[in-house]
Amino acid sequence: DIVMTQSPDSLAVSLGERATISCKSSQSILYSSNNKNYLAWYQQKPGQPPKLLIYWASTRESGVPDRFRGSGSGTDFTLTISSLQAEDVAVYYCHQYYSTPYTFGQGTKLEIK
Amino acid sequence: QITLKESGPTLVKPTQTLTLTCTFSGFSLSTSGVGVGWIRQPPGRALEWLALISWNDDKRYSPSLKSRLTITKDTSKNQVVLTMTNMAPVDTATYYCAHRPTDDAFDFWGQGTLVTVSS
Repeated sequence: DIVMTQSPDSLAVSLGERATISCKSSQSILYSSNNKNYLAWYQQKPGQPPKLLIYWASTRESGVPDRFRGSGSGTDFTLTISSLQAEDVAVYYCHQYYSTPYTFGQGTKLEIK
Repeated sequence: QITLKESGPTLVKPTQTLTLTCTFSGFSLSTSGVGVGWIRQPPGRALEWLALISWNDDKRYSPSLKSRLTITKDTSKNQVVLTMTNMAPVDTATYYCAHRPTDDAFDFWGQGTLVTVSS
């Protein structure tokens, strides 16, 4: 199984400041034939299902604000929120869909400082 | 507009079999590359992928739960059914179904259904 490890487990950032979440996979999730990283980021608010933010490691889903940016390749990935808004308080998960069993990170809880 | 909705019992007893149905609209599970997956989330914990069924009836399971899971589809009814045998209190979780486009991440999710395992 591909293990996804996020850091930190929790994060407190001031409004308007940058938030950065890291995700590492235990093996590369870059598919060489198409040069795509099979990595997605989800945002989950209490009582709601996960919402897809980023796929292919860096492609924003339609309607997602451009303050959310995904980057990285191979085994190391980052989700950056450039200017934290109050509505960004949530738990964030990375997810690999390179191979089954699909796996998720343990989640990072983002709060306002 | 793609929507999915999970249905099934909210309470099951230990050792019983859980049957959950995902009813969807806005896509067809006969379209090449499309899949529907099940993911669960124990209270306060992380997401765990359970199973995936694809348009061509290819089925994938979590290795740790494979012996207990069965996923099927009824394309004419736009439904996917997940059965999990021998339920235990540790299986208490919100169970989600989600749409997987061709070779891509789960993009649309149902609201989830909380299943509690207790005698």
